[in-house]
Amino acid sequence: AQSVTQLGSHVSVSEGALVLLRCNYSSSVPPYLFWYVQYPNQGLQLLLKYTSAATLVKGINGFEAEFKKSETSFHLTKPSAHMSDAAEYFCAVSDHGNKLVFGAGTILRVKS
Amino acid sequence: ETGVTQSPTHLIKTRGQQVTLRCSSQSGHNTVSWYQQALGQGPQFIFQYYREEENGRGNFPPRFSGLQFPNYSSELNVNALELDDSALYLCASSLEAGKTDTQYFGPGTRLTVL
Repeated sequence: AQSVTQLGSHVSVSEGALVLLRCNYSSSVPPYLFWYVQYPNQGLQLLLKYTSAATLVKGINGFEAEFKKSETSFHLTKPSAHMSDAAEYFCAVSDHGNKLVFGAGTILRVKS
Repeated sequence: ETGVTQSPTHLIKTRGQQVTLRCSSQSGHNTVSWYQQALGQGPQFIFQYYREEENGRGNFPPRFSGLQFPNYSSELNVNALELDDSALYLCASSLEAGKTDTQYFGPGTRLTVL
């Protein structure tokens, strides 16, 4: 069965600093991986997805993620954090039949 | 093109009652998935409907049931509510039911069970 582990339930960075949110997955089949962002009291918004094309995936708002099969990782990065990036981020893997299996989430705090 | 909408936004029920949550899928999408997100946790898959048929179910008891209508909108019904059912319920629609098809989420319904 597929599973996702997000290391760090809370991450704090200064405005302008690098953002790195970690995600490791377990999958018995080639995975399809997603990052979603959730702002307070809202639903989930897709940031980016990996579907076995390029291993470096670029998403919205300057975020990108790199698929590393050898490390079973799909970490999310952004070169320079902005105050508006403060939110909760979820990594997910697509199971058979399009079911998404989510990690527990990482809350990103951006300090001014 | 309208996105995924859900109603109601908030709901308060008492233990033992029944509740119905509604979801309108994005235009052109024939697949709807429902997720439960408890406070401080990631969403958990409840079930998925594809062209009006159930197409997969997560680890939820039978008192969680659903429907999908010919216009591909959907309902989630929960009977005999328990305190632990308090959560944000998210609906997501996708173009098809394939692994790579992106799921687009609605804003959710916040259910509180007292």
